[in-house]
Amino acid sequence: GAVVSQHPSRVICKSGTSVKIECRSLDFQATTMFWYRQFPKKSLMLMATSNEGSKATYEQGVEKDKFLINHASLTLSTLTVTSAHPEDSSFYICSAGALNSPLHFGNGTRLTVT
Amino acid sequence: GEDVEQSLFLSVREGDSSVINCTYTDSSSTYLYWYKQEPGAGLQLLTYIFSNMDMKQDQRLTVLLNKKDKHLSLRIADTQTGDSAIYFCAESPSFGNEKLTFGTGTRLTIIP
Repeated sequence: GAVVSQHPSRVICKSGTSVKIECRSLDFQATTMFWYRQFPKKSLMLMATSNEGSKATYEQGVEKDKFLINHASLTLSTLTVTSAHPEDSSFYICSAGALNSPLHFGNGTRLTVT
Repeated sequence: GEDVEQSLFLSVREGDSSVINCTYTDSSSTYLYWYKQEPGAGLQLLTYIFSNMDMKQDQRLTVLLNKKDKHLSLRIADTQTGDSAIYFCAESPSFGNEKLTFGTGTRLTIIP
């Protein structure tokens, strides 16, 4: 069964609004979670590393004020796309892993900004 | 920086074996992974191999690693229609809690 749950799987929002995506590790504690973005027919691009109890580490070129990441507990990280625009439409995927185990991925969130 | 390359497309007849190849440049890559992505879904971990191994077999899947050439392959025996997906190889310097560097992905198409 799924070990990483991502919600929602699909969301449509109006331009200018904010959208929150949740990523949960189901039966393990994840001190680190990762947020990826995937463009159509492309590979995954790492956006940021979410660290429990501290600030996220963003990759170069990713706007931290636009993509807010909160890792409030050992089983939950959230990504909030603020003031969304059509160019933010994409497939967002989170992953989580425990020490000495491979990373598992959520099922992704398809965001469409109209 | 790290670079992981794959061919973009592969077509295989149902029942034949599929071989998906991957090359990487980072000599510190310690763990190498294969993930499967079906349309509209997340990534499913298929298998992984540690860099001190040459081969790993798991049912229909066989992973071969040539560390000298930095070449990784995934062989799927008796390919079925359900194997149609995009396959990503990935590498990381350690196990767990480490970001992965992904290849470009190979779209596997099964010909009936």
